[in-house]
Amino acid sequence: EVQLVESGGGLVQPGRSLKLSCAASGFTFSNYGMHWIRQAPTKGLEWVASISPSGGSTYYRDSVKGRFTISRDNAKSTLYLQMDSLRSEDTATYYCATGHSSYIYDYWGQGVMVTVSS
Amino acid sequence: DIQMTQSPASLSASLGETVTIECLASEDIYSNLAWYQQKPGKSPQLLIYYANSLNDGVPSRFSGSGSGTQYSLKINSLQSEDVSIYFCQQNYDSPNTFGAGTKLELK
Repeated sequence: EVQLVESGGGLVQPGRSLKLSCAASGFTFSNYGMHWIRQAPTKGLEWVASISPSGGSTYYRDSVKGRFTISRDNAKSTLYLQMDSLRSEDTATYYCATGHSSYIYDYWGQGVMVTVSS
Repeated sequence: DIQMTQSPASLSASLGETVTIECLASEDIYSNLAWYQQKPGKSPQLLIYYANSLNDGVPSRFSGSGSGTQYSLKINSLQSEDVSIYFCQQNYDSPNTFGAGTKLELK
C-alpha cells in the first residue's frame, strides 16, 4: 500500500524558514517523480514544485522560485521542501503527491499545515 | 497559465439524483484533464484522468467526458458518501492548474 506521510509544518514568522519532509513507502520511490501541492485555508489546490525520479530536474511555480527548494533522498525514500523567506501567502496545507503519469496525482499524503504569521 | 473555470461553485442534490459538474479551460488541453474528490478534512483523491478514464477503485457511477476546452464530471445515483468538493485539473501545460472547486451537498 502506497503511503506518504508529511511532517515539519508549524507556525513561523514572515521571512523565516521551514523544511517539510515526506516519508514514502509501499512503492519504489526512486522510480517516481514527486510533487508538492498546497491548499490555502478554504481555498483551491495549487501546484508548488516537482522533482524527477533521479532528482536531477526540478520545477517550481513562479511565486516560489528562488525561495523554495525541492529535493529527495532516494536511499531514505524521502521528499523534502525547504521553504525560505516565507510570506503570509504561503500559509496553506502542503501535500506531497505522486502518480504513474506526469502531473496526475494518484497518491496524496495527509497534508501538513504551514502558518506564516507574526 | 491555463485558467480552469468550474461551474457551479456549489450544488445541492438529493440522494439518487444525477449531477453534472462542468470545467472550462482557457485553451485547448487535448483531454489532459483530471477530476479529484476531496471529502471534508481529507486529502484529494483521483477520480478520473485523461478526461474519461476511471481510476482504480472508483465507483462506476462516476464518469467523465469532454474534449478541447469543455469537460464534465457526471455522478449517477448520488450517494451520501459523494458529499465532497470536486476539483478539475489540467496537466497539459506547465504549470498544471486546478479549478476553484465545486462543493456538492445533499438536499
